[in-house]
Amino acid sequence: ELKVEQNPLFLSMQEGKNYTIYCNYSTTSDRLYWYRQDPGKSLESLFVLLSNGAVKQEGRLMASLDTKARLSTLHITAAVHDLSATYFCAVDLNNDMRFGAGTRLTVKP
Amino acid sequence: EAQVTQNPRYLITVTGKKLTVTCSQNMNHEYMSWYRQDPGLGLRQIYYSMNVEVTDKGDVPEGYKVSRKEKRNFPLILESPSPNQTSLYFCASSFQRGGPRETQYFGPGTRLLVL
Repeated sequence: ELKVEQNPLFLSMQEGKNYTIYCNYSTTSDRLYWYRQDPGKSLESLFVLLSNGAVKQEGRLMASLDTKARLSTLHITAAVHDLSATYFCAVDLNNDMRFGAGTRLTVKP
Repeated sequence: EAQVTQNPRYLITVTGKKLTVTCSQNMNHEYMSWYRQDPGLGLRQIYYSMNVEVTDKGDVPEGYKVSRKEKRNFPLILESPSPNQTSLYFCASSFQRGGPRETQYFGPGTRLLVL
């Protein structure tokens, strides 16, 4: 069964600092997604990673995928308050989509 | 405006009373999916549809039905709701699966309470 683990589950950062969220999964897949959810809101798609070695960047966020290690990372550079949200990774195996538990990020001034 | 809409946004019902949550997208997307989000259990896929008349079970399909008669609509049907179906439901769509245009767009969510 496909399992997806994220860590940390909770992350409190100072503005301006860098940090990385990790997403490990149990079964080979080359389709991984990152989403953001603000409190009380819907999900927003951040990145779609479709091959080993894929790297995508948008603003202060950069996502990468290592299919051999079954690991994806979401790197935050010089965090700002607006990045405070819950971040989910999700892995697709034959259209069976499994989500990580989410990382609740709080960026403090 | 490109969007995924869900109705109703909030619903309180009683056990056993059939209900339908509608989902509609105006982006000509082929792929549509339903998820539920529960505290402590996270997000789980209920059903998905690769295209019109093509649907398949996700991780937690029990107690739900779907249909995809038109490309834009993907209703979620609870024939006999039970309290364990109390949840926050999201519909999502994407242009395709397995390719570069598979960014999913999510609806605003439907909060369901089954008494």
